[in-house]
Amino acid sequence: GAGVSQSPSNKVTEKGKDVELRCDPISGHTALYWYRQSLGQGLEFLIYFQGNSAPDKSGLPSDRFSAERTGGSVSTLTIQRTQQEDSAVYLCASSRSGGPYEQYFGPGTRLTVT
Amino acid sequence: QQQVKQSPQSLIVQKGGISIINCAYENTAFDYFPWYQQFPGKGPALLIAIRPDVSEKKEGRFTISFNKSAKQFSLHIMDSQPGDSATYFCAASQGGSEKLVFGKGTKLTVNP
Repeated sequence: GAGVSQSPSNKVTEKGKDVELRCDPISGHTALYWYRQSLGQGLEFLIYFQGNSAPDKSGLPSDRFSAERTGGSVSTLTIQRTQQEDSAVYLCASSRSGGPYEQYFGPGTRLTVT
Repeated sequence: QQQVKQSPQSLIVQKGGISIINCAYENTAFDYFPWYQQFPGKGPALLIAIRPDVSEKKEGRFTISFNKSAKQFSLHIMDSQPGDSATYFCAASQGGSEKLVFGKGTKLTVNP
């Protein structure tokens, strides 16, 4: 079956612009996660959605970052007023609920802020 | 505060050799310890995982060793192959909270 998909695969934006990154999880997976991967820094947890529960936003680095998940499926990560330090690969993952079950990762969106 | 410390940062092994990557954690509430493998341009993929009620888990050429008292766990890749060349991440999570805390990764190169 189809895996986790993310779009765009690459995004170049100017400092100060807003960007939206999209994630389509595996069908039937109720849990969705966003991580950020910076060079040499591993993966950093950003936000976690589980069904209809309030999201765990504890990893969002600033109030410029927000995410939503519509209809329990597709998720959008929005970064407002982008800064150069936001440049990274943004990874989305999904899993079945009640875990911790395996998290299946998408290929990521490489964001470059110039 | 880095909750999962991974070493080495990079590792070069000859084909057929044993690759060993180590991780240490601080949070004693962690109860799930997966290893992920990532190839360039791809997202990480689960390789093998362990819970603290066992000290070792083996799947094919891959083995996790877990030392609860030392708060350490390691990945052993036996008979390493060039196709194993990738970046490996250890991770940990706490029961009821499924977000993963990752180590910084180890870039493994297996020379033919």
